[in-house]
Amino acid sequence: NAGVTQTPKFQVLKTGQSMTLQCAQDMNHEYMSWYRQDPGMGLRLIHYSVGAGITDQGEVPNGYNVSRSTTEDFPLRLLSAAPSQTSVYFCASSAYRDSNSPLHFGNGTRLTVT
Amino acid sequence: GENVEQHPSTLSVQEGDSAVIKCTYSDSASNYFPWYKQELGKRPQLIIDIRSNVGEKKDQRIAVTLNKTAKHFSLHITETQPEDSAVYFCAASTNAGKSTFGDGTTLTVKP
Repeated sequence: NAGVTQTPKFQVLKTGQSMTLQCAQDMNHEYMSWYRQDPGMGLRLIHYSVGAGITDQGEVPNGYNVSRSTTEDFPLRLLSAAPSQTSVYFCASSAYRDSNSPLHFGNGTRLTVT
Repeated sequence: GENVEQHPSTLSVQEGDSAVIKCTYSDSASNYFPWYKQELGKRPQLIIDIRSNVGEKKDQRIAVTLNKTAKHFSLHITETQPEDSAVYFCAASTNAGKSTFGDGTTLTVKP
């Protein structure tokens, strides 16, 4: 199993550009989520999904959209990039049916917005 | 929503000493408390977890304790080694699946 796969690993955007961060998992996990990590601020939840067709907002959703058309994929869209969105983004999944289940993280995407 | 506070933010110990990191949470519905280790430039990875029906769990040099009444839980690392140097995150989650993380503790083990 590849686990959680994120692409790209690095991305530089200009202010106002849009892009999609890709996330795929092959563990048949129902729960998927996106976090951003900024220095000294831990991991903050952007959006999450408990199954195909279901998404919900986390702590810091503004400026981001998600969709969940399949169990495997959970892309994160930046609508109009801003310098404040410079961060490291992690996708994570877990076996939701087993509610007490650890998160499996992807390797992250380092995004810089100039 | 849930709020998780983690202390200290940085911790430096001599090799062989013990390290303790403490977290408090606010939502009494939280019932799962994992700890993740993140090495520089890498992804967070689970090192140990504890469920709300258990007070203590140990895995070799690592142990976690949970006090539900006081809403706090702690990570204990004994006989620290240089490879234990990393950032450690605590988290609290409910049956809804959402995990709220502490801000992290940077542990440095000096040889």
